[in-house]
Amino acid sequence: DVKVTQSSRYLVKRTGEKVFLECVQDMDHENMFWYRQDPGLGLRLIYFSYDVKMKEKGDIPEGYSVSREKKERFSLILESASTNQTSMYLCASSLLPQAGYGYTFGSGTRLTVV
Amino acid sequence: TQLLEQSPQFLSIQEGENLTVYCNSSSVFSSLQWYRQEPGEGPVLLVTVVTGGEVKKLKRLTFQFGDARKDSSLHITAAQPGDTGLYLCAVVLSGGSYIPTFGRGTSLIVHP
Repeated sequence: DVKVTQSSRYLVKRTGEKVFLECVQDMDHENMFWYRQDPGLGLRLIYFSYDVKMKEKGDIPEGYSVSREKKERFSLILESASTNQTSMYLCASSLLPQAGYGYTFGSGTRLTVV
Repeated sequence: TQLLEQSPQFLSIQEGENLTVYCNSSSVFSSLQWYRQEPGEGPVLLVTVVTGGEVKKLKRLTFQFGDARKDSSLHITAAQPGDTGLYLCAVVLSGGSYIPTFGRGTSLIVHP
């Protein structure tokens, strides 16, 4: 069964902390994505990567960075967590989004910043 | 103005009822995906449609892609409590980025 695995289901962090969210996929997909999901705002793209060591900003990259050192792993980093980054974070991968292939999502990480 | 509109935003029905939810765009899209998201989980892909006028069926779910490639509908027959969830559509715009744009979803509750 193909999978996207996010390392934590729930996280509570303090304001100002550096936070790492890890995502691993076992489908050999080139494309990986990080979204945040907030009530009433839907899914918003933070960053995506189409190859190892390649990254592109999405719609809301401010306050975030990413790392893709290996094909299967895509990490999201909150450099200095703030309360407005409290959200559900979703990682996804896709074989060929440009050909209409859909996403496989992880189960999400619900992050609370206090 | 939002690029992608989903309606209705919320839907609460009884088991056994039929329902239709809609996804409408102001722009033509090359492909469209439907996802279902259960509470506390990530979205799960239900179907991808790429041809205008295409109809796909998945058990009690019927997906239709409009001829003009600007709209889609999802019809559920004889809804069951297990259909409860957030239904999201995502479109890849013609001539634009290959990254799908997500709608805000329709939240469906099916009561036993």
